Amino acid sequence: NAGVTQTPKFRVLKTGQSMTLLCAQDMNHEYMYWYRQDPGMGLRLIHYSVGEGTTAKGEVPDGYNVSRLKKQNFLLGLESAAPSQTSVYFCASDRVGGYAQPQHFGDGTRLSIL
Amino acid sequence: SQKIEQNSEALNIQEGKTATLTCNYTNYSPAYLQWYRQDPGRGPVFLLLIRENEKEKRKERLKVTFDTTLKQSLFHITASQPADSATYLCALRNSGNTPLVFGKGTRLSVIA
Repeated sequence: NAGVTQTPKFRVLKTGQSMTLLCAQDMNHEYMYWYRQDPGMGLRLIHYSVGEGTTAKGEVPDGYNVSRLKKQNFLLGLESAAPSQTSVYFCASDRVGGYAQPQHFGDGTRLSIL
Repeated sequence: SQKIEQNSEALNIQEGKTATLTCNYTNYSPAYLQWYRQDPGRGPVFLLLIRENEKEKRKERLKVTFDTTLKQSLFHITASQPADSATYLCALRNSGNTPLVFGKGTRLSVIA
């Protein structure tokens, strides 16, 4: 059981380049999330999705776009990468049911923008 | 403003002792509070959930308390081991349909 899988695991970009991070989950979860984690800042929510075809902004959405075309996949895009987007990106998923549902995380994508 | 604060960035304790980590929150009214463990280079892993009407929850050597009057949760690891060394995150939701909000975490080091 793979759980939440993120690709790629590492990436180095130049300023202005674009890329897409892929998250896939095999638990049939309705909700999916993208976070970034920076030293001293904790996990901050970028965007999330409560179902196929729906997305919503989180705490730090600027500079990112997302799409949820299939229930099992959640894509995070950087259209024009900036050094401030150097971070570790985590994807997570959970079931409908709100409060009591634990989130399941992938192991992250380490992204450096030069 | 809404805040979740974990009492310290780092905590060092000796093997065998009890580690106590604190999570305080402001301007939230969570019905549940969750605790996660994160190892270096890995994503957070869910450990325990405690409901507002539960004063205490236990799982093996872990114990969590939840005091809605103090707006605080305590996370205890008894008989700590070097393998317990990790960062521990608390998280809560203000309502069932809102995303989890995480504290910044406390990095625990258990020294043999």
